Amino acid sequence: AQRVTQPEKLLSVFKGAPVELKCNYSYSGSPELFWYVQYSRQRLQLLLRHISRESIKGFTADLNKGETSFHLKKPFAQEEDSAMYYCALSGTSGTYKYIFGTGTRLKVLA
Amino acid sequence: NAGVMQNPRHLVRRRGQEARLRCSPMKGHSHVYWYRQLPEEGLKFMVYLQKENIIDESGMPKERFSAEFPKEGPSILRIQQVVRGDSAAYFCASSVDRVQPQHFGDGTRLSIL
Repeated sequence: AQRVTQPEKLLSVFKGAPVELKCNYSYSGSPELFWYVQYSRQRLQLLLRHISRESIKGFTADLNKGETSFHLKKPFAQEEDSAMYYCALSGTSGTYKYIFGTGTRLKVLA
Repeated sequence: NAGVMQNPRHLVRRRGQEARLRCSPMKGHSHVYWYRQLPEEGLKFMVYLQKENIIDESGMPKERFSAEFPKEGPSILRIQQVVRGDSAAYFCASSVDRVQPQHFGDGTRLSIL
């Protein structure tokens, strides 16, 4: 079955601490993976896609096909990183049905 | 670019009434997707439309739900004879084509009394 699992509903870290938001997936094929972020009272925004291999706002995510994971990491958390984070996948070749995880709420404490 | 616009942001209906949710895609986007988010769950795909065509409605409940994306005007998700279980957040997304990332609207939160 195609599935995205985000095991943590809530993750609290102190400002300046490293952050890792976990995402595991199940997909028969080569998926494309995304991280979306939703700040308070704002819409869902694309943060990262694995094929871009970018670092956005200090966040990176590496696709590990062996572990079927796409964890989101940041070495030093900032208070403004507090938000809801969703991991999502789509199939290759423009498969449009995104499959979302249930999301992880990140709270960065002062 | 105002982004994907959804209205209303909040919609309250009584059981048995009809709910109409609107979505205007980003400028230049002709591909529209609807997702539903039930409490404590992730977004679930419902339907994919291009102008005047339903491409994939495999995620839509078989009854009471319909969607359209006319040549002129916004995409509409219509729910007839609403029931309590329809209470959810409904998100619309759009993209330039089916390969590029989807951009999401603010969502419509539907509450059924």
